[in-house]
Amino acid sequence: ETGVTQTPRHLVMGMTNKKSLKCEQHLGHNAMYWYKQSAKKPLELMFVYNFKEQTENNSVPSRFSPECPNSSHLFLHLHTLQPEDSALYLCASSQGGLRDQPQHFGDGTRLSIL
Amino acid sequence: GESVGLHLPTLSVQEGDNSIINCAYSNSASDYFIWYKQESGKGPQFIIDIRSNMDKRQGQRVTVLLNKTVKHLSLQIAATQPGDSAVYFCAEVEETSGSRLTFGEGTQLTVNP
Repeated sequence: ETGVTQTPRHLVMGMTNKKSLKCEQHLGHNAMYWYKQSAKKPLELMFVYNFKEQTENNSVPSRFSPECPNSSHLFLHLHTLQPEDSALYLCASSQGGLRDQPQHFGDGTRLSIL
Repeated sequence: GESVGLHLPTLSVQEGDNSIINCAYSNSASDYFIWYKQESGKGPQFIIDIRSNMDKRQGQRVTVLLNKTVKHLSLQIAATQPGDSAVYFCAEVEETSGSRLTFGEGTQLTVNP
């Protein structure tokens, strides 16, 4: 149990579908992150939220839309995805922002785009 | 560009042996380093960290060594067990500038019984 819960664990969707990934952290942290993990590539930071405010968008396509209603919950809304978006999407949290490490990760959502 | 990478993509050891996983980094300004372990089907799990004002830090069965002169980081696992089989990757950050955490590609450690 990492304290960071992601749902669903697996998701298969067509390119025209709309779905959302959910992340919840039970650690009392103030910063939350979305990462993309593709096979044989380093983790890619997508978004950072600190105290519910988005502090970083790492040039992510607009078909990925994050939402952070409070410090414990983070969503990633997906629409009109491409096959190359198939990957493991990881959520993480930390006490503060990027200067406060380490980050604690969830187990990810394995996303497959048909 | 700046990068964090690992010398070997795979490492196979016998149970009970010591394991050494290496990491090279190129940003000389990086001042904080983390080792993560990722088991199959799970997210990365924090193992140990070290700041640039130290050259060695020990945990339970793990030791991290930092050589700032050659920008090299290593993770040593003592008495490796089958449960240690996973992908290990290092990450670096330049905390003073608030830079984002940069991850390496990972080394697959396989422990043979």
